[in-house]
Amino acid sequence: SAVISQKPSRDICQRGTSLTIQCQVDSQVTMMFWYRQQPGQSLTLIATANQGSEATYESGFVIDKFPISRPNLTFSTLTVSNMSPEDSSIYLCSIPAGPPGELFFGEGSRLTVL
Amino acid sequence: AQSVSQHNHHVILSEAASLELGCNYSYGGTVNLFWYVQYPGQHLQLLLKYFSGDPLVKGIKGFEAEFIKSKFSFNLRKPSVQWSDTAEYFCAVRDTGRRALTFGSGTRLQVQP
Repeated sequence: SAVISQKPSRDICQRGTSLTIQCQVDSQVTMMFWYRQQPGQSLTLIATANQGSEATYESGFVIDKFPISRPNLTFSTLTVSNMSPEDSSIYLCSIPAGPPGELFFGEGSRLTVL
Repeated sequence: AQSVSQHNHHVILSEAASLELGCNYSYGGTVNLFWYVQYPGQHLQLLLKYFSGDPLVKGIKGFEAEFIKSKFSFNLRKPSVQWSDTAEYFCAVRDTGRRALTFGSGTRLQVQP
């Protein structure tokens, strides 16, 4: 299995500010996924980050709000821009585990926006 | 777009009781099906999966799930739960051609000793 480290593990932020979440993997991977889990809701895919190309965003998510960087095969960042209380969520980084659909997950970054 | 429904949001059972958690998906094409589990303080991990073949699949810790194509369902079962099964359970579906998953909203299982 892979080790996925996310930073910060939790943070409390003020409305209107931005926060960057880091995801570090202990092996090289082509794809990384960013999910959001709002309180009491499902995990929702934000975007797929491929090294060397722009991230692919899911419906309802835009690059201006959630810019993603993927500078190499072991690292990615997700920025939550101009935050509002509705952005309070757990943000999860994940990578393919091998067989299609199997994923490894980080422990998540719990974000609270006041 | 694919959607996944888990109708039980919070389930409370006593130890040794039987468990069945419902999961239904919306898209009728070829899919792969998964149950993931998140134990308290831990990250999400795979419990079991269905790709093809026998629709009754067995996973870790005595869990099993049955794929019923006609009902678009993939319900999770365990004959006798333990206190250590207390966790949140997520059903997920992968449409062929995509690497990412669509998740249900999760079911919180609380097993009382």
